[in-house]
Amino acid sequence: AQKITQTQPGMFVQEKEAVTLDCTYDTSDPSYGLFWYKQPSSGEMIFLIYQGSYDQQNATEGRYSLNFQKARKSANLVISASQLGDSAMYFCATHSGGGADGLTFGKGTHLIIQP
Amino acid sequence: DAGVIQSPRHEVTEMGQEVTLRCKPISGHNSLFWYRQTMMRGLELLIYFNNNVPIDDSGMPEDRFSAKMPNASFSTLKIQPSEPRDSAVYFCASSLVQGANSPLHFGNGTRLTVT
Repeated sequence: AQKITQTQPGMFVQEKEAVTLDCTYDTSDPSYGLFWYKQPSSGEMIFLIYQGSYDQQNATEGRYSLNFQKARKSANLVISASQLGDSAMYFCATHSGGGADGLTFGKGTHLIIQP
Repeated sequence: DAGVIQSPRHEVTEMGQEVTLRCKPISGHNSLFWYRQTMMRGLELLIYFNNNVPIDDSGMPEDRFSAKMPNASFSTLKIQPSEPRDSAVYFCASSLVQGANSPLHFGNGTRLTVT
């Protein structure tokens, strides 16, 4: 079984600053994937970024990057140059093996960007 | 491209009534997942299908919950009889499982209120 821990229930950040959202995971499988999703107040779940356990480099997607530290079982999301539209819930998730059995999600972090 | 389509967006019903939630996955995806989201428990995986076959329904809370996937383009989640504690947002998600890097694509969810 997999487990995701997000220790920051909420964060306030000034616009244009960089943000780091913490995520630690626990899995016994050697092959796994790590995902981040954004859920704005409108409710939809938006896929942001993926990191594979065997990937040598940290994943990046535009202003999003994933700080993957395998030995520490950490997969933090970094948002550069934050914008007001980044205000949302952010969920870290994982699956193991082939990914056919769905994702296990953390409790989420509520990020609020202040002007 | 059409995403995952869920209906209805909102459902308000009285305790004891039957509720049916519907989902059309992304064409070509071979896995479908039903999640429930509440403030207390976060995102919980209820059941998932691979190639229309139910694989794991251990997340279904009670026998009052049932799900079907009669073909690759349609799935239902039924609650009969409904209870106030079933009030939540129910998400359907689909994916094309080709390996570990298979993100789930979520529908907009159905917000269920049982009075």
